[in-house]
Amino acid sequence: GESVGLHLPTLSVQEGDNSIINCAYSNSASDYFIWYKQESGKGPQFIIDIRSNMDKRQGQRVTVLLNKTVKHLSLQIAATQPGDSAVYFCAVTTGGGNKLTFGTGTQLKVEL
Amino acid sequence: DAGVIQSPRHEVTEMGQEVTLRCKPISGHNSLFWYRQTMMRGLELLIYFNNNVPIDDSGMPEDRFSAKMPNASFSTLKIQPSEPRDSAVYFCASSSRTDWNTEAFFGQGTRLTVV
Repeated sequence: GESVGLHLPTLSVQEGDNSIINCAYSNSASDYFIWYKQESGKGPQFIIDIRSNMDKRQGQRVTVLLNKTVKHLSLQIAATQPGDSAVYFCAVTTGGGNKLTFGTGTQLKVEL
Repeated sequence: DAGVIQSPRHEVTEMGQEVTLRCKPISGHNSLFWYRQTMMRGLELLIYFNNNVPIDDSGMPEDRFSAKMPNASFSTLKIQPSEPRDSAVYFCASSSRTDWNTEAFFGQGTRLTVV
């Protein structure tokens, strides 16, 4: 089965600094990876995704890095803003399916 | 598009009562997922449908839980009888698989409290 874990339950950063949130997955057949952001009282919201045939993908202020060798995924947020405060989840699918397995989440707190 | 729509947003019920949660997926999406979120277990996939057919219900906790998708625009998750340990936020999500991704879009969730 798939298990997805996160290294840190809580991450505090100063406004303007860069944030890095990490995720480890267990199944080497995992082929699609997504980062979601969840604000209080809301459903998870898509941030960025990456397929297993890539090792880096960039969006607006966000970058996802994938290291398949060690089965590790990271989300980098540049110039972190108060509005980035939320819980961040990584999610993976395996074997070409569309069943998403979620990690436990990291609470990002942005300090002014 | 209004996104995935769930109702009700909040539900408080007494132990033993039947609870029905509703979901309207995004029009054109062919996959629908029911998740449960708690502090202890995070986001758990309960069941998902492809083209209205249940594909994987291995996450459904027990026979008290059932889900249906009578058509492409509506799904229900029913708990009968409900128990206090069912208290959680239940999310519905939908997706449409493309060559690139299977990104799932989530509704706002239903917060269920069983007393």
